[in-house]
Amino acid sequence: DGGITQSPKYLFRKEGQNVTLSCEQNLNHDAMYWYRQDPGQGLRLIYYSQIVNDFQKGDIAEGYSVSREKKESFPLTVTSAQKNPTAFYLCASSRPENLNTEAFFGQGTRLTVV
Amino acid sequence: DQQVKQNSPSLSVQEGRISILNCDYTNSMFDYFLWYKKYPAEGPTFLISISSIKDKNEDGRFTVFLNKSAKHLSLHIVPSQPGDSAVYFCAAGGTSYGKLTFGQGTILTVHP
Repeated sequence: DGGITQSPKYLFRKEGQNVTLSCEQNLNHDAMYWYRQDPGQGLRLIYYSQIVNDFQKGDIAEGYSVSREKKESFPLTVTSAQKNPTAFYLCASSRPENLNTEAFFGQGTRLTVV
Repeated sequence: DQQVKQNSPSLSVQEGRISILNCDYTNSMFDYFLWYKKYPAEGPTFLISISSIKDKNEDGRFTVFLNKSAKHLSLHIVPSQPGDSAVYFCAAGGTSYGKLTFGQGTILTVHP
């Protein structure tokens, strides 16, 4: 079955630690995205990548880093510089050549700082 | 700067009636618009989309209307069902952007 897999589903981090959230897709999509959801704020774009080895900052990139070494994978690292990392993180992918296509989302990772 | 806004945080509707969810945008470069449905602790799923060359798109019980001059779109669900209860996000994209911008979401509750 094609889809997007995010792992882990729940993640706990101590203050001052970096953590990496995994996102893998087998949809053969070129574009991948990371969003953060906070209550009452909808989905805010952290980083996106239109092609392998290239990525762009979204609206709230500070304190995050990404890599895109493979088409299938787009891991997100939440660094200790991110002041409020507790949130629900969503990864998505799409076909950028078809502008009316939807983005497919993973099931999300809930990160909690303890 | 919120380019896509959903001004109603919540909406409550009786089963069988119409649900109307609204969305406003400010960026005139957006040329396609989508609605997503999201259940708690899950990723959003695509519902319906519309491009700026149209003013209406229908898919079963779901219809999206686009008013470009007012920079406004709406999602109509008729008839509403209890299973429609979820958070609905509108999203917008543009040819030169390569990304989607989401609204804050509206919680829809359909009562039996």
